[in-house]
Amino acid sequence: DAKTTQPTSMDCAEGRAANLPCNHSTISGNEYVYWYRQIHSQGPQYIIHGLKNNETNEMASLIITEDRKSSTLILPHATLRDTAVYYCIVRVDNYGQNFVFGPGTRLSVLP
Amino acid sequence: GAVVSQHPSWVICKSGTSVKIECRSLDFQATTMFWYRQFPKQSLMLMATSNEGSKATYEQGVEKDKFLINHASLTLSTLTVTSAHPEDSSFYICSARTGAVSRELFFGEGSRLTVL
Repeated sequence: DAKTTQPTSMDCAEGRAANLPCNHSTISGNEYVYWYRQIHSQGPQYIIHGLKNNETNEMASLIITEDRKSSTLILPHATLRDTAVYYCIVRVDNYGQNFVFGPGTRLSVLP
Repeated sequence: GAVVSQHPSWVICKSGTSVKIECRSLDFQATTMFWYRQFPKQSLMLMATSNEGSKATYEQGVEKDKFLINHASLTLSTLTVTSAHPEDSSFYICSARTGAVSRELFFGEGSRLTVL
């Protein structure tokens, strides 16, 4: 699976949009981009995933560049409860394969 | 989304004892479940892949005789930490996919093990 690079940490003001970048310059054509987050002492929570097109759900939006070498997770109105470690993962769609977690980005939403 | 439940959520045990952690898929069947371990301030590390009805596949460096995995049914996988030592203290997390159609991986709440 392709390797990802994320900033170690980010701050965001409460109520503002949080934009979390992820670089995956070696992504191959059949690899999806997934985002998960982990709030302290809890299991990871699925946020969103995409292949080529931008995606939006009730939690967030995922913007994937046209060359697919990077993506941005957008939390439109961050709240204090969004403080967590956010993981960007790229992988092929294979049922039997696990997800490989990097260090992620520690997002702190500030009041 | 689908629900994966772990039990217990936290456990404290004495050194040398064995501890069993259960992972259940509550509203779907999972032929494959994954067990991760997470030390403080670190990311999740895959320990093993649990396959229903067959032996688990362990990652390099994970002792299969120490971390016993049993996946006896399509909704239950168990991880038993045998002869636990303080260095086994960690956050253990299981996960599962709902099936070939669903691409998301769903995680349990995690189980925090403290070995005294």
